[in-house]
Amino acid sequence: DAGVIQSPRHEVTEMGQEVTLRCKPISGHNSLFWYRQTMMRGLELLIYFNNNVPIDDSGMPEDRFSAKMPNASFSTLKIQPSEPRDSAVYFCASSLWRESPLHFGNGTRLTVT
Amino acid sequence: RKEVEQDPGPFNVPEGATVAFNCTYSNSASQSFFWYRQDCRKEPKLLMSVYSSGNEDGRFTAQLNRASQYISLLIRDSKLSDSATYLCVVTPASGGSYIPTFGRGTSLIVHP
Repeated sequence: DAGVIQSPRHEVTEMGQEVTLRCKPISGHNSLFWYRQTMMRGLELLIYFNNNVPIDDSGMPEDRFSAKMPNASFSTLKIQPSEPRDSAVYFCASSLWRESPLHFGNGTRLTVT
Repeated sequence: RKEVEQDPGPFNVPEGATVAFNCTYSNSASQSFFWYRQDCRKEPKLLMSVYSSGNEDGRFTAQLNRASQYISLLIRDSKLSDSATYLCVVTPASGGSYIPTFGRGTSLIVHP
């Protein structure tokens, strides 16, 4: 069981640059979630996909953020342009169905200078 | 009122102690409940689900009180390795949108 795989583990970039975070969910899981965690705000849900379709993106901070899930085994979260306040740990999680527990990836620690 | 609230702690207890955390939620239609454990600079990991009748897993006991809208986690015989942040997760079952909401977490420090 490979678990949820995220890349990169760490990303350091300069303000204004584009950042792309990647996620491979557990095979067979139908739901995929992107969360952001900071000390100030805790874990915040950014967007949720069910069967590759975005269901709720109300947590996406602004138009600079976009997420895609082109197939059941891959999702991306893109920030363009990045800003220092985007610095956080970004987690991807997947679940078998709507009400089953979430399984998290190791996260991507993003630093925008 | 926040959707899911937890006492941030930290709870500082000696080895062998019994400690309990509560988590309150505001949405009475909430359907699924979980406790997660998160170690420093790591991802949250599922500790246990919370069932209506209450459930136990070794030294850990989880309970749900729907009338008062809270869930609890009891840890008996605390170990040093139990030191972590404990997050509760609550999910509603209404409508087409399904948003698992995390509390901010309760920090536990178990000392020798």
